[in-house]
Amino acid sequence: EVQLLESGGGLVQPGGSLRLSCAASGFTFSSYAMSWVRQAPGKGLEWVSGISGTGDSTYYADSVKGRFTISRDNSNNTLYLQMNSLRAEDTALYYCAKDRSAVPAANNYWGQGTLVTVSS
Amino acid sequence: DIQMTQSPSSLSASVGDRVTITCRASQGISNYLAWYQQKPGKVPKLLIYAASTLQSGVPSRFSGSGSGTDFTLTISSLQPEDVATYYCQKYNSALVTFGPGTKVDIK
Repeated sequence: EVQLLESGGGLVQPGGSLRLSCAASGFTFSSYAMSWVRQAPGKGLEWVSGISGTGDSTYYADSVKGRFTISRDNSNNTLYLQMNSLRAEDTALYYCAKDRSAVPAANNYWGQGTLVTVSS
Repeated sequence: DIQMTQSPSSLSASVGDRVTITCRASQGISNYLAWYQQKPGKVPKLLIYAASTLQSGVPSRFSGSGSGTDFTLTISSLQPEDVATYYCQKYNSALVTFGPGTKVDIK
C-alpha cells in the first residue's frame, strides 16, 4: 500500500524558513517523479514543484522559483521541500504527491498534507 | 506559460443527470491532461489521466475526452457521492498547471 506522510509544517514569520518532508513507502521510490502541491484556505490546487525519479531534474512554479528547493533522498525514500523567504501568500496546506512515472505526470497518490502558516 | 480554464465554475444538477465539465488549455498539450476530484475536507483523487484513461478503481460513470486544447470530463449519471470540486491538470512540460476548479453539487 502506497503511503505518503508529510511533516514539517507550522507557524513561521514572514521572511522565515521551513523544511517539509514526505516519507514514502509501498512503492519503488526512485522509479517515480514526485511533486509538491499546495492549497490555500478555501482556494484551489496550485502545483508548487516537481522532481524526477533520479533527482536530476527539478521544476518550480514561477511563484516559488528562487525561494523553494525540492530534493529527494532515494536511499531513505524521502522527499523534501526547503522553503525560504516565506510570504503570507505561501500559507497553505502542502501535499506531497507521487507521479505516475519517472518524469512529471499525473499524481496518483497524495499524502494528507502539512499546514504551513506564514504570519507575524 | 500555458493557462488552464474550466467551465462552468460551478453547477447544480439532479441525481441521475449527465454532467459535463470543460477544460481548455491556452496552447496545445496533446493528451497530457488529468482530472481530479476533491471532496470537501478530503485529499484530491485522480480520476482520469492521459485525457481519457480511467484510473483504477474509479467508477465507470466518469469519462474523459479531448486532445490538443479542449477537454471534457463527463459524469454519465450524477450520484450524491459525486458532490465535489473537479480540477483539470496539464502536465505536458516542466510547468504543471491546475485549472481553477468546477464545484458540483446536487440540486
